Amino acid sequence: DAGVTQSPTHLIKTRGQHVTLRCSPISGHKSVSWYQQVLGQGPQFIFQYYEKEERGRGNFPDRFSARQFPNYSSELNVNALLLGDSALYLCASSGGGANYGYTFGSGTRLTVV
Amino acid sequence: EDQVTQSPEALRLQEGESSSLNCSYTVSGLRGLFWYRQDPGKGPEFLFTLYSAGEEKEKERLKATLTKKESFLHITAPKPEDSATYLCAVQGVVNNAGNMLTFGGGTRLMVKP
Repeated sequence: DAGVTQSPTHLIKTRGQHVTLRCSPISGHKSVSWYQQVLGQGPQFIFQYYEKEERGRGNFPDRFSARQFPNYSSELNVNALLLGDSALYLCASSGGGANYGYTFGSGTRLTVV
Repeated sequence: EDQVTQSPEALRLQEGESSSLNCSYTVSGLRGLFWYRQDPGKGPEFLFTLYSAGEEKEKERLKATLTKKESFLHITAPKPEDSATYLCAVQGVVNNAGNMLTFGGGTRLMVKP
């Protein structure tokens, strides 16, 4: 079975540009969460979507936005990129209940220059 | 605000030398405590979920335990392939409609042959 898939795996962008990251959850999972992991730190929560609705938002600026599609895949968009946005962006999917484990993808490594 | 502190930040062991990793947490009602393993450049890999104080779970050389204030990940007779960063995360109940995980900074474990 395919796990959580993320694309692209690596990306280099220039300050001020916009970026779109994509995530496909495990088949049957309706919940997708996005996390940012800066090198040497633990992941930080950005968004959670369940059944195409935003259910939670972390402490990130409005430059960060996301959406979930009818097939439960998701996009994370970041506008006006800053150098500090350089990080590993992780997507996690879950069956939806609080007692389900979260399965993470391998992430997208974003470098802003 | 939920908080997680992991110690030590880094740990070097000889193969076969057992040890424990610590995860101290404060949370507004614990829904679950999660342990993940993360290899360089990869996404976190799920290990365990613990739900209540006194609970224990085991998987091969790993055993996770939980009290009301901390969790331990015990590693028995580690092998070089156990080298990775181990992440602890909590999921609180209050103000957490998004079921977000709050992560600690991780413990980097290096096991030398």
